[in-house]
Amino acid sequence: QVQLVQSGAEVKKPGASVKVSCKASGYTFTSYGISWVRQAPGQGLEWMGWISAYNGNTNYAQKLQGRVTMTTDTSTSTAYMELRSLRSDDTAVYYCARVVTGLDWYFDLWGRGTLVTVSS
Amino acid sequence: SYVLTQPPSVSVAPGQTARITCGGNNIGSKSVHWYQQKPGQAPVLVVYDDSDRPSGIPERFSGSNSGNTATLTISRVEAGDEADYYCQVWDSSSDHYVVFGGGTKLTVL
Repeated sequence: QVQLVQSGAEVKKPGASVKVSCKASGYTFTSYGISWVRQAPGQGLEWMGWISAYNGNTNYAQKLQGRVTMTTDTSTSTAYMELRSLRSDDTAVYYCARVVTGLDWYFDLWGRGTLVTVSS
Repeated sequence: SYVLTQPPSVSVAPGQTARITCGGNNIGSKSVHWYQQKPGQAPVLVVYDDSDRPSGIPERFSGSNSGNTATLTISRVEAGDEADYYCQVWDSSSDHYVVFGGGTKLTVL
């Protein structure tokens, strides 16, 4: 069925990097973009950025510029999000979401989330 | 950057109608999308483009958008509707292309 399957929980030390994967199935991967959205404990949703699965174009939230990289592997229909120089306030559940783009963007399919804990 | 304002909480009795607002400067000129998130689960799209419903979403969920306020309306509220609800817009002029509201906790009394 149509789904996004994310990699498992991670525990990292401050200053380290984390790479989360998101494998798509049940649809044509290159027909949609993928966004990453994170949610700190007890907080709301924060958009991190977007990647086109068609051509690899990216757009990142300004506050994460320089620390985040989003990539895709079309041979495996997998999207990746790497976050570097981790801090304690990066502790959050990280979601990938399929982006419907037309006149604007919205997210019609979500992964189940990956908990990233940053702790010394 | 563009800001969306939601009430932190809304309470309603079963069978009644819940209205969750999302305020923003001239939000009526944008398309608004709504997500439902239950505890420990990923968000689910319940309304897109102001008032359209994805397949599988009950007709009880509807949306409207005009002026400076968008509204998600849930009719005949059920216990299973208890969740956090987030509005979202796309703002290409912002450093955040995608903007979420702060979320509203819907409590079914």
